[in-house]
Amino acid sequence: QTVVTQEPSLSVSPGGTVTLTCGLSSGSVSTTYYPSWYQQTPGQAPRTLIYITNTRSSGVPDRFSGSILGNKAALTITGAQADDESDYYCVLYMGGGIWVFGGGTKLTVL
Amino acid sequence: EVQLVESGGGLIQPGGSLRLSCAASGFTVSSNYMSWVRQAPGKGLEWVSVLYSGGTTHYADSVKGRFTISRDNSKNMLYLQMNSLRAEDTAVYYCARVGTGDNFESWGQGTLVSVSS
Repeated sequence: QTVVTQEPSLSVSPGGTVTLTCGLSSGSVSTTYYPSWYQQTPGQAPRTLIYITNTRSSGVPDRFSGSILGNKAALTITGAQADDESDYYCVLYMGGGIWVFGGGTKLTVL
Repeated sequence: EVQLVESGGGLIQPGGSLRLSCAASGFTVSSNYMSWVRQAPGKGLEWVSVLYSGGTTHYADSVKGRFTISRDNSKNMLYLQMNSLRAEDTAVYYCARVGTGDNFESWGQGTLVSVSS
């Protein structure tokens, strides 16, 4: 069974830079998994941030960027702001009509 | 403007059935890939099912054989028929439009399903 891994929690100082990663329990994440990233605040629906590895969704600030770092997909927030404090999820398209979400990263800005 | 509105959630006993609905506006459901994603209380997101524009369906192993995704083209609606419900199916269920690059580009606000005796 494929497991998509994310850091359970991370923290960043206001104005700082943080990188969240999205890996596989077995193997490497590449662009062929079409990694995408979502932000979710409590009680709200997820919001799409990044798709196809590094394409920002409409209206997403350019302080959010996506990439492949080593064998993982990555979401980097540059110049973190207080309202970036949220849960972040990645999802990988495994092919054959199957997607797998990571467990999510709780980001604290302090 | 794209809008997705889910309905049909509620409290149901284990073993029971429920049908969720997702009303779409601003686009045509039958021309898009549509998905259901759920989130158990305090937990992460879990992909549930997809319906391709051509009619092909796929399911997560956790719901295969129990859930059925479908659409009504005349009403521009997406559905999720859930049978043999279990306590572990308790979650907020979101419908989502699958966009370019197989991402979940638009989301509804979700509907809560609680499976309990």
